[in-house]
Amino acid sequence: GDSVTQMEGPVTLSEEAFLTINCTYTATGYPSLFWYVQYPGEGLQLLLKATKADDKGSNKGFEATYRKETTSFHLEKGSVQVSDSAVYFCALSGGGGDYKLSFGAGTTVTVRA
Amino acid sequence: GAVVSQHPSWVICKSGTSVKIECRSLDFQATTMFWYRQFPKQSLMLMATSNEGSKATYEQGVEKDKFLINHASLTLSTLTVTSAHPEDSSFYICSAREYGYTFGSGTRLTVV
Repeated sequence: GDSVTQMEGPVTLSEEAFLTINCTYTATGYPSLFWYVQYPGEGLQLLLKATKADDKGSNKGFEATYRKETTSFHLEKGSVQVSDSAVYFCALSGGGGDYKLSFGAGTTVTVRA
Repeated sequence: GAVVSQHPSWVICKSGTSVKIECRSLDFQATTMFWYRQFPKQSLMLMATSNEGSKATYEQGVEKDKFLINHASLTLSTLTVTSAHPEDSSFYICSAREYGYTFGSGTRLTVV
């Protein structure tokens, strides 16, 4: 079945540091890939997505490129802020026509001033 | 943008009682709603998928008689935790499939 493997945390960074969270996937067909962010006590917010190979999703300074050859969708941000502290989830859907989302384990990111 | 309103955001109930959680799509019609459970510091576990007007499809290991899901209209899906016990304490989140999956804000259930 579909699955997502995500870099384990926690990750602690200083402000303005470079952030990367690795995500690789296993899926049949052509899945869509997502990054979600969750702040304490809240639901998930879509950060960015990509629906086909070589697509780059971007939002709020975050980027991720859908790499079919390496089955990866790594999240990056060039200069993090304290407000980026959250849990980040990589997810995929629809690899085999199934609309269910498969989530990675989540990575807790803490940015210190 | 698309919004799913989930209520209540937190609830405390006594063992043996039932709790209903509602998810409403405010500005769109949600044909499919997913219900997740999340334990502290863990990922989301899909419990069931509900489609408007039909019975929910439960994931393996999820007790359908305990977690009753109703999706009677295109704007409302509900999850009722029946005869709740402390082990049902968790964070429950709904998500509509539309607009790249729109999530509710979650419900923190504590059973005492």
